[in-house]
Amino acid sequence: QLQLQESGPGLVKPSETLSLTCIVSGGSISSSNYYWGWIRQPPGKGLEWIGSIYYSGSAYYNPSLKSRVTISADTSKNQFSLKLSSVTAADTALYYCARPAVAGLYSDNWGQGTLVTVSS
Amino acid sequence: QSVLTQPPSVSGAPGQRVTISCTGSSSNIGAGYDVHWYQQLPGTAPKLLIYRNINRPSGVPDRFSGSKSGTSASLAITGLQAEDEADYFCQSYDSSLSALVFGGGTKLTVL
Repeated sequence: QLQLQESGPGLVKPSETLSLTCIVSGGSISSSNYYWGWIRQPPGKGLEWIGSIYYSGSAYYNPSLKSRVTISADTSKNQFSLKLSSVTAADTALYYCARPAVAGLYSDNWGQGTLVTVSS
Repeated sequence: QSVLTQPPSVSGAPGQRVTISCTGSSSNIGAGYDVHWYQQLPGTAPKLLIYRNINRPSGVPDRFSGSKSGTSASLAITGLQAEDEADYFCQSYDSSLSALVFGGGTKLTVL
């Protein structure tokens, strides 16, 4: 059974860099059938795609966040990571890692989510 | 402002049928990109409900069904149950933005 688990600090100061890791178990991130992605949800609001990465290292980002986002993958550790720089209070959200299928781009597996608050 | 438009809320009595619409444009749903639906119960992560417009993952009751036409898609729930009370989100791909896009979400209340 595939499981995704987000980890990282729950509190980040304004202007600093948010860093999260998604540890994948029960399956390999080297699968050619899936991307590995990040999606966030501000409290009480909707879902926003941040970006996705393919096992080859090719990464795709939401244009609205592209200048601040880096997603990387470590196939040896079976995990992938998110870095979001120059954060502000608007980046406060539940951050989910998920597995979008290459064919169709739907996410059939999600982590439980981790709340990141941006505050001094 | 979400790229895909959903009604903020819908409601229905137990046993009734409700539908949730998801309206896009010629650069996403109208361009032929698939629509997917997620159910988010309170305090939990979204769960895939319908994928590629009409397909149900294993374990999703056949009370849930999806359809797509033109620049819109719909999620229908028949035989409404109290446990269906949740937020529902549609998702597609937008070629103008080169991005996965979500609807703003619809809160379903079971009366």
